[in-house]
Parts: sequence; structure tokens; C-alpha cells
Amino acid sequence: SQQGEEDPQALSIQEGENATMNCSYKTSINNLQWYRQNSGRGLVHLILIRSNEREKHSGRLRVTLDTSKKSSSLLITASRAADTASYFCATDRGGTSYGKLTFGQGTILTVHP
Amino acid sequence: ETGVTQTPRHLVMGMTNKKSLKCEQHLGHNAMYWYKQSAKKPLELMFVYSLEERVENNSVPSRFSPECPNSSHLFLHLHTLQPEDSALYLCASSHHDRGPGELFFGEGSRLTVL
Repeated sequence: SQQGEEDPQALSIQEGENATMNCSYKTSINNLQWYRQNSGRGLVHLILIRSNEREKHSGRLRVTLDTSKKSSSLLITASRAADTASYFCATDRGGTSYGKLTFGQGTILTVHP
Repeated sequence: ETGVTQTPRHLVMGMTNKKSLKCEQHLGHNAMYWYKQSAKKPLELMFVYSLEERVENNSVPSRFSPECPNSSHLFLHLHTLQPEDSALYLCASSHHDRGPGELFFGEGSRLTVL
């Protein structure tokens, strides 16, 4: 089974609406990261939240982390058509696994103009 | 522009060919990675190099052979591949043992094996 599993697998919304994506994982982590990928391109780092943090903001992005439930959520507010992409969570277990991220399968977000 | 450049962006090869993927990072990082992204599967970590030493080989078949001649360059040598090896191959870099572990990715090399 995957370390990071995103939910939903696909999300379709109208421009201006908020988009929420969830991620669950199984083992203890050092930090959790969210990445974005436009179709057929490389991944771009969006935001990182450490295991001792509960919430973090960056522009229109809000990430929460609940280590007791081993879950995280990514909220994109006031979505735009340009936000259309795949979004992945990735966990870093730290220690000897430092920097070796485990990715989920991603959520495909479509924002309709 | 992420500071990580991959070439070629697209590659078509037969099963008997030998080709190489190249990755170059201009970020001063000391760790480099190869990931494989296949349709409907999560990114799979293939190899990790830290300070030019391979520190991870994630049970990758020997038909994939990595090479890291210095901290800025990473290659993936390909030979006698199978059609199921068709995928997007992503290179990434980071500061190993410094910072939180954020990865910087290249745009990927789309490989098609006929």
C-alpha cells in the first residue's frame, strides 16, 4: 500500500470555488510536502509542513496536518483555471530516509473558467 | 525554470538500443534522484546519489544504470529496455542533510520503448 494516498482521485470545480484535497499516510514522518504537476511536466514544490506544525499558509494555499490521524489536507482558495493540474502529497520520514520522498497517486484538479 | 535541466525531453527507442538520459542541476545541491512516473502509478524512487555516492537502489532492474560523475550531473543509461519501461523519468535534486528535504524537479524525459 502507498505511504501517501490522496483523496479524491479527481476533482472538478468552477473558477472561484475552493478546492480541498486530502492525503493519508501510514508511518511516522519528519515532514509532509505538497507538489503540483502540470500535464506531462515536472513536479513543482508548493508547501512543506513539519511534523510539529498543524497548519501552514502560503498565498491561496492552506495546509493542515493531523499526525494523530496521519492525514493532511491542501486547500486552494478562490481557484483559477491556471490551477488545473495534478497535486501530490509526499512524505519524508527523515533519519536515514532523509530527502527520499514517498509520493501518493495524486488528485487531478480541473478548474473550469 | 527550476534549475534542473533534463535532456532529451522525448526519446523513442527500440528494445535493443542503448541510450542515456542526462540531468544537470545549477542549484548547488549535493543530492540527486531519479524517479519513474508511469500512468496510474505513484512516482517510484529509482536511485539516490548523495555527494556523488549511490545511497539508494530501489530494486531497479540492471537494464537501468545510473552514473553521477559530479554533484551537478546525473545520467541514466538505458539498454535492452522493455515496453513496460515506457514512462516519464524525472530527475530531482536537493540538499542532503541540510534543510527539510524539498525536491527540485526537472521537466522530465518522456521515454517510449517500442
